[in-house]
Amino acid sequence: AQSVSQHNHHVILSEAASLELGCNYSYGGTVNLFWYVQYPGQHLQLLLKYFSGDPLVKGIKGFEAEFIKSKFSFNLRKPSVQWSDTAEYFCAVNDQGQNFVFGPGTRLSVLP
Amino acid sequence: GAGVSQTPSNKVTEKGKYVELRCDPISGHTALYWYRQSLGQGPEFLIYFQGTGAADDSGLPNDRFFAVRPEGSVSTLKIQRTERGDSAVYLCASSTGTGYGYTFGSGTRLTVV
Repeated sequence: AQSVSQHNHHVILSEAASLELGCNYSYGGTVNLFWYVQYPGQHLQLLLKYFSGDPLVKGIKGFEAEFIKSKFSFNLRKPSVQWSDTAEYFCAVNDQGQNFVFGPGTRLSVLP
Repeated sequence: GAGVSQTPSNKVTEKGKYVELRCDPISGHTALYWYRQSLGQGPEFLIYFQGTGAADDSGLPNDRFFAVRPEGSVSTLKIQRTERGDSAVYLCASSTGTGYGYTFGSGTRLTVV
């Protein structure tokens, strides 16, 4: 069965700091990879996704993620975070079927 | 509609009662999913519909949980004899096709007291 792990439960940064959130998955086949964000009191929103091609994927709001197949990783990055990036971030994997498996989430707190 | 709509947004019920949670997907989305998100965890898959039929219900925890989508649009998640452990946010999502990413609703926060 697939599983997704996220390295950090809670990350606290100051504004303008750089962000990297780790995500690793276990699945031997071809996968689609996603990052979702959940702002306080709001629903899950898609940040970015990887299906194939360039392993460096750019998403909304300045976020990007890099797929490293050999490491089974799909880490999320942002060069300079803002207070408005405070949210919960979820990595998800789909084996090209219909079911998504989500990681446990990483809570990001950005201090003004 | 413009997004996935879930009602009610909050539901408090007594242990042992029956509840229904409703999801209205984006118009034209044939695939509909139910997930459950407990505090501090990521969403866990419950059931997936393609059209009117449940294509995969392997995530339903037990036979107290049931979901329907009779006309291929609105879906209802039904929970019988609720237990305190059922307390969670129940998320609905819809999509146009395989693996392209969901659009989630705002969820229904169910509290069983």
